Amino acid sequence: QSALTQPASVSGSPGQSISISCTGTSSDIGAYNYVSWYQQHPGKAPQLIIFDVRNRPSGVSRRFSGSKSGNAASLTISGLLAEDEADYYCSSYTTINTLVFGGGTKLTVL
Amino acid sequence: EGQLVESGGGLVQPGGSLRLSCEASAFTFISYWMHWVRQAPGKGLVWVSRIKYDGTTTTYADSVKGRFTISRDNANNMVYLQMNSLTADDTAVYYCAREVGADIPAGAFDIWGQGSPVTVSS
Repeated sequence: QSALTQPASVSGSPGQSISISCTGTSSDIGAYNYVSWYQQHPGKAPQLIIFDVRNRPSGVSRRFSGSKSGNAASLTISGLLAEDEADYYCSSYTTINTLVFGGGTKLTVL
Repeated sequence: EGQLVESGGGLVQPGGSLRLSCEASAFTFISYWMHWVRQAPGKGLVWVSRIKYDGTTTTYADSVKGRFTISRDNANNMVYLQMNSLTADDTAVYYCAREVGADIPAGAFDIWGQGSPVTVSS
């Protein structure tokens, strides 16, 4: 199972909105609405910020939103804050009953 | 809220074995699927394995199938990862994580441990 494809890096200025893409196949993202997104700060464990494509866990800011179209998903962060600078990972359930992550995207807040 | 604490990591020689443990607290452990996820130094997250809440179903990534075994002890709120025939490619921080969904383990992990580093080297 190949990793999902994410851009290596994205950047934005405080207050702006950015989107991170996550591209898969009809065997993972395209097959189910089971896409999750994680935020990871250096040296820390990942934190769930989106699950089931667009649902936010309790306590996660509404500035984070998710969507999906076909074999691709996206994470949008609005009103960028300095604290949003981190690595972001997408994941998806697959048709062979496994899970696959994306390669990760480093977000830089300029 | 719940907490997970891993232990058992360390330095092991190629071909060797190691058993990771993950102790859960402050939530009803028997109700949740549990997973192991690893992250090699400077690299991304990779899903390793999962186990159903009652221990009856286990699944593995191809890269560890036949070498790693996941298990759990619901009486003591523990999940384990037995790792055999280790190679340098298994060097990583290993995280245990709790699955949000009860019915379909769709990969939404809402609680993570702090990670247990494993280094495979001679």
